[in-house]
Amino acid sequence: NAGVTQTPKFQVLKTGQSMTLQCAQDMNHNSMYWYRQDPGMGLRLIYYSASEGTTDKGEVPNGYNVSRLNKREFSLRLESAAPSQTSVYFCASMKGNQPQHFGDGTRLSIL
Amino acid sequence: GENVEQHPSTLSVQEGDSAVIKCTYSDSASNYFPWYKQELGKGPQLIIDIRSNVGEKKDQRIAVTLNKTAKHFSLHITETQPEDSAVYFCAASRDTGRRALTFGSGTRLQVQP
Repeated sequence: NAGVTQTPKFQVLKTGQSMTLQCAQDMNHNSMYWYRQDPGMGLRLIYYSASEGTTDKGEVPNGYNVSRLNKREFSLRLESAAPSQTSVYFCASMKGNQPQHFGDGTRLSIL
Repeated sequence: GENVEQHPSTLSVQEGDSAVIKCTYSDSASNYFPWYKQELGKGPQLIIDIRSNVGEKKDQRIAVTLNKTAKHFSLHITETQPEDSAVYFCAASRDTGRRALTFGSGTRLQVQP
């Protein structure tokens, strides 16, 4: 089992470009999450999906959209990238009251 | 919403010594408190967690204590080893609703050989 897989691992964008970050889990988890991690700070929730077909905003949703394509996949889209969105993005998944499992992140730089 | 504060931000210990990291939380409804270890270039990995119905949990060299009244919880690592060097995050959440984690700002632990 691969767990939570994120692609790409690294990406550099220019301001105004769009991009979709991909996340897939093979653990049959119901809930999936997107967090961002900035230097000196903990992870902050962007969006989450409690189950297939549902999505909700987290703490810092502005500038992002998400799609829960199916039970396995949860994508994060930046429609018009801004330098403030330079960050490391982590996807996580969870089932019931079990712990959240994280991917290894996408490191995104916006120039 | 929930707010989690974590101290210290950096911690350097000698190999074999103990390390303690402390967190406080603000939401009295939080009832799940995991600790994650993050190594360079990797995602957070769960090392131990505790729920509000217990005060302490231990797993080999790692233990977590929880004081619900004071709203604080701590990670204790005994007999530290160089491979314990990493960034550690505490977090808090509820067992209902979205169950999203609110993280502390992290502690960089360095174990000197």
